[in-house]
Amino acid sequence: ETGVTQSPTHLIKTRGQQVTLRCSSQSGHNTVSWYQQALGQGPQFIFQYYREEENGRGNFPPRFSGLQFPNYSSELNVNALELDDSALYLCASSWGLAGGNTGELFFGEGSRLTVL
Amino acid sequence: GQNIDQPTEMTATEGAIVQINCTYQTSGFNGLFWYQQHAGEAPTFLSYNVLDGLEEKGRFSSFLSRSKGYSYLLLKELQMKDSASYLCAVRDQNFVFGPGTRLSVLP
Repeated sequence: ETGVTQSPTHLIKTRGQQVTLRCSSQSGHNTVSWYQQALGQGPQFIFQYYREEENGRGNFPPRFSGLQFPNYSSELNVNALELDDSALYLCASSWGLAGGNTGELFFGEGSRLTVL
Repeated sequence: GQNIDQPTEMTATEGAIVQINCTYQTSGFNGLFWYQQHAGEAPTFLSYNVLDGLEEKGRFSSFLSRSKGYSYLLLKELQMKDSASYLCAVRDQNFVFGPGTRLSVLP
């Protein structure tokens, strides 16, 4: 286990609703990145948070937003949910941007979101 | 643009050797990574190449050619537990992951 925890593990929402996903980073890690993984696909980078500020964003609309707290935990918020938002949302922590010196990302088990 | 290609699926026999290829075209490059992801689980780090050549780590080896935009992951002495998806990823400012290769190891 990586020590990265995510909640909730599964949730179901309807189109147009809003969702908040949470991530606790591994002890000692100061950077959190979020990924969307559709079924049968690789993870797609959403954004990264370092020292409580967004530092890098992928090709996702503004209705995807996030926060990082002083303890380095993080939230992913998605507004106006669409059917295509159904996916596994993975959080990864590291010491330093983009995995830091080692480049290694430590992933949580993910939150599986279903939008009906 | 950013593009990473991998075969979608591969099948191999227990005890055999399998090579999973990855080609990439990215705007920047600061290392190539391989992750393993078992069904329903989180990806876990396998290997990292930043310079050309072969990196060996037990039964797993990874090769990189930056001039060719090419990498492969070599798995030796395959075990049933190696059945998983293998993700190739390039690090630039952030990580770009390929679609993953689903490997099935048969008895």
